[in-house]
Amino acid sequence: AQSVTQLDSQVPVFEEAPVELRCNYSSSVSVYLFWYVQYPNQGLQLLLKYLSGSTLVKGINGFEAEFNKSQTSFHLRKPSVHISDTAEYFCAVSDGDRDDKIIFGKGTRLHILP
Amino acid sequence: ETGVTQTPRHLVMGMTNKKSLKCEQHLGHNAMYWYKQSAKKPLELMFVYNFKEQTENNSVPSRFSPECPNSSHLFLHLHTLQPEDSALYLCASSFGGGQPDEQYFGPGTRLTVT
Repeated sequence: AQSVTQLDSQVPVFEEAPVELRCNYSSSVSVYLFWYVQYPNQGLQLLLKYLSGSTLVKGINGFEAEFNKSQTSFHLRKPSVHISDTAEYFCAVSDGDRDDKIIFGKGTRLHILP
Repeated sequence: ETGVTQTPRHLVMGMTNKKSLKCEQHLGHNAMYWYKQSAKKPLELMFVYNFKEQTENNSVPSRFSPECPNSSHLFLHLHTLQPEDSALYLCASSFGGGQPDEQYFGPGTRLTVT
């Protein structure tokens, strides 16, 4: 079965600085990858997804992620963060055995410093 | 109304009460999900319904009883809960057929068991 690892539980970064949130998944023949964001007291919202094609995926709010098959990674990046990016970010991967289930990481809390 | 809606948004109940959480999706999806999100713990998948059939019960205690009368509605019936069941309960939906796809989340119900 698939698994996904977000090594960083919390990432502090200064406003307007770049950020990278790391995500690694266990190997699979074919994989679909997602990044979600959760703002305080809200549900999860899709930031971006990789299904196939270009390995660089652009999402909402200026975020992008790169699918790296050899390193089984799907790191999320933003060149310049804003205070409004304060939230929890979840990486997710499709369950290789089922099409109605995706596996979520434990989440990384992005803390923007003024 | 569009997207995934959940009612109530907040619920306080005693351990002997019976209550129900409701989820409704207006996206034409076929799969619906219940997740539990506790403080400082990973997102826990509880139940999956695909075309109204339950396809996943992730060892959830019987005091949680799901019901899916049609592809647009999902309920979670609660009875004799414990304080450790206090959490944010998230509903989600997805296309559900063919290939893995993103899940759309509702805003959640914040449950407090006293």
